[in-house]
Amino acid sequence: NAGVMQNPRHLVRRRGQEARLRCSPMKGHSHVYWYRQLPEEGLKFMVYLQKENIIDESGMPKERFSAEFPKEGPSILRIQQVVRGDSAAYFCASSPPVIQNTEAFFGQGTRLTVV
Amino acid sequence: AQKVTQAQTEISVVEKEDVTLDCVYETRDTTYYLFWYKQPPSGELVFLIRRNSFDEQNEISGRYSWNFQKSTSSFNFTITASQVVDSAVYFCALTKGPHTGRRALTFGSGTRLQVQP
Repeated sequence: NAGVMQNPRHLVRRRGQEARLRCSPMKGHSHVYWYRQLPEEGLKFMVYLQKENIIDESGMPKERFSAEFPKEGPSILRIQQVVRGDSAAYFCASSPPVIQNTEAFFGQGTRLTVV
Repeated sequence: AQKVTQAQTEISVVEKEDVTLDCVYETRDTTYYLFWYKQPPSGELVFLIRRNSFDEQNEISGRYSWNFQKSTSSFNFTITASQVVDSAVYFCALTKGPHTGRRALTFGSGTRLQVQP
């Protein structure tokens, strides 16, 4: 799982600020998934992206959250005007383009704390 | 819709005891994958196993073993001779099989395992 790189590992934001979380997938992977883990809970799916496309954002809150995966560079999860309830660990996973294996490896997560 | 239930919120055992973590799942898909992940106190997710729904053979890896029973929709995880380093939160997860559009994982709520020395 060391191949999926997330940064920063820890992020502290004041209420109302913006948070940007980055995910660099494993080499050769063109699919990225974002999950959120609230304290003491399991992981919940947020969004599934391929390069330059959002495939499934059914788990994404309707407001303040957005995600992108540009042709070049990492995938970005952006949270605008953060609130205390956004405090959580955000995990990214990546998978290859050929649909025969599902993703099994995650990045180490970004722990967002809103103060 | 898919659902994963881990009814045991927390389990505490003494070192060297065997422990089984339960996982029950619901899905309408005929093809699917089941997973177990370990999340140690440091917070990262460690992949343990992936099992295809076509393969009901039990699997053993060192002190870890998995019992997949389609008839009861269960995928239980047993740690034999537990060690303090096994202390972590363990998640069971489920996803659709290959050649489907959505491959996101559905996670259970996790079981926290405390192994006392």
